[in-house]
Amino acid sequence: GAVVSQHPSRVICKSGTSVKIECRSLDFQATTMFWYRQFPKKSLMLMATSNEGSKATYEQGVEKDKFLINHASLTLSTLTVTSAHPEDSSFYICSPRLGAQGYTFGSGTRLTVV
Amino acid sequence: QKEVEQNSGPLSVPEGAIASLNCTYSDRGSQSFFWYRQYSGKSPELIMFIYSNGDKEDGRFTAQLNKASQYVSLLIRDSQPSDSATYLCAVGPYMEYGNKLVFGAGTILRVKS
Repeated sequence: GAVVSQHPSRVICKSGTSVKIECRSLDFQATTMFWYRQFPKKSLMLMATSNEGSKATYEQGVEKDKFLINHASLTLSTLTVTSAHPEDSSFYICSPRLGAQGYTFGSGTRLTVV
Repeated sequence: QKEVEQNSGPLSVPEGAIASLNCTYSDRGSQSFFWYRQYSGKSPELIMFIYSNGDKEDGRFTAQLNKASQYVSLLIRDSQPSDSATYLCAVGPYMEYGNKLVFGAGTILRVKS
């Protein structure tokens, strides 16, 4: 159980464009979703926490207008990187909360902005 | 500020040996403790979690928790080359609260055949 599908796995985009990353929980309902980014050889950095039907809570230093999070249903959460720049190139990972079983992770999205 | 500290490594062990990975945390109110394994270019995968003081065993893996010392460790018995990865320690509140985890920077483990 607790299968998470994250797409795309890799994306290359031009500076100034927007990229949408989808995270779907296939066999459970995710009321809470965490979005992380990870730079090479660094640990996970929490960007925001979203609860289904509510606005996301962003961590300090994360621009909410740049990283748009939508959690409109219990099985789908999306992260949109708007007006992407090379410094946004990173590994983005969603992580739905599983209750007492803790947390699992999506397979990640490698974003490269050129 | 809540912190989770891990030795970055790399920790090198020969195949078949016991690998010992350590983690300390600053928030004394932490209640849940997780170990994740992350292969290069992949997302983390859960190895095991522990809530109570003492040891918890799952196959070749044993998690050890000492809340008084704010210390959690992961032992990997009979280490295999496929265990070579980065191991992330994560700490959080009661899972029922659903709050966020704090991750350490990870320890690189290399198992040499």
